[in-house]
Amino acid sequence: GAVVSQHPSWVICKSGTSVKIECRSLDFQATTMFWYRQFPKQSLMLMATSNEGSKATYEQGVEKDKFLINHASLTLSTLTVTSAHPEDSSFYICSARDPSLAFFGQGTRLTVV
Amino acid sequence: AQSVTQPDIHITVSEGASLELRCNYSYGATPYLFWYVQSPGQGLQLLLKYFSGDTLVQGIKGFEAEFKRSQSSFNLRKPSVHWSDAAEYFCAVGAGSSASKIIFGSGTRLSIRP
Repeated sequence: GAVVSQHPSWVICKSGTSVKIECRSLDFQATTMFWYRQFPKQSLMLMATSNEGSKATYEQGVEKDKFLINHASLTLSTLTVTSAHPEDSSFYICSARDPSLAFFGQGTRLTVV
Repeated sequence: AQSVTQPDIHITVSEGASLELRCNYSYGATPYLFWYVQSPGQGLQLLLKYFSGDTLVQGIKGFEAEFKRSQSSFNLRKPSVHWSDAAEYFCAVGAGSSASKIIFGSGTRLSIRP
């Protein structure tokens, strides 16, 4: 099946810094990708829809200025957590769809200290 | 709005016993339905999906699920669980254009009793 790769798989950063997470579709083109957030022992919550060549669409309650999304090409979407705080520590997962199915990345564990 | 409900937060079954995880959905049209499994600290693995056709779908690892429109349910079953099945299980519905946007249920944690 299709492969979606996230990088990095884990990152530790200091409070106040920004962190960029990459999501790549390795063997297919994805005009739309999705970013999810998962707190410990909780479900995945959709944060935003990343649209190639246009602005991302954010779900209600997600701060677009805090979670910057850029979908510069058909195979790459990035999520930047700006001015990170400890409460942003979470597991972030992206997904991309080939013509038949949505595929998920392996996730990025972000810890803000 | 689309939503998925998994009423059981945590289930424990004995190894070799049968398993059924419940899932109810809310969706205006014919839903695209999925079951995913997540091991601790890991990403998601698709177990099975329903788009149309036969309402009993077979998945990987011996899992199956049955779509029941009248009950708005898509319960996951396995006749005999193995210790390696211990994980978090998420039911999900596909929404939006081509069902690309996946809406997840709250998950059910499965523990296996030796």
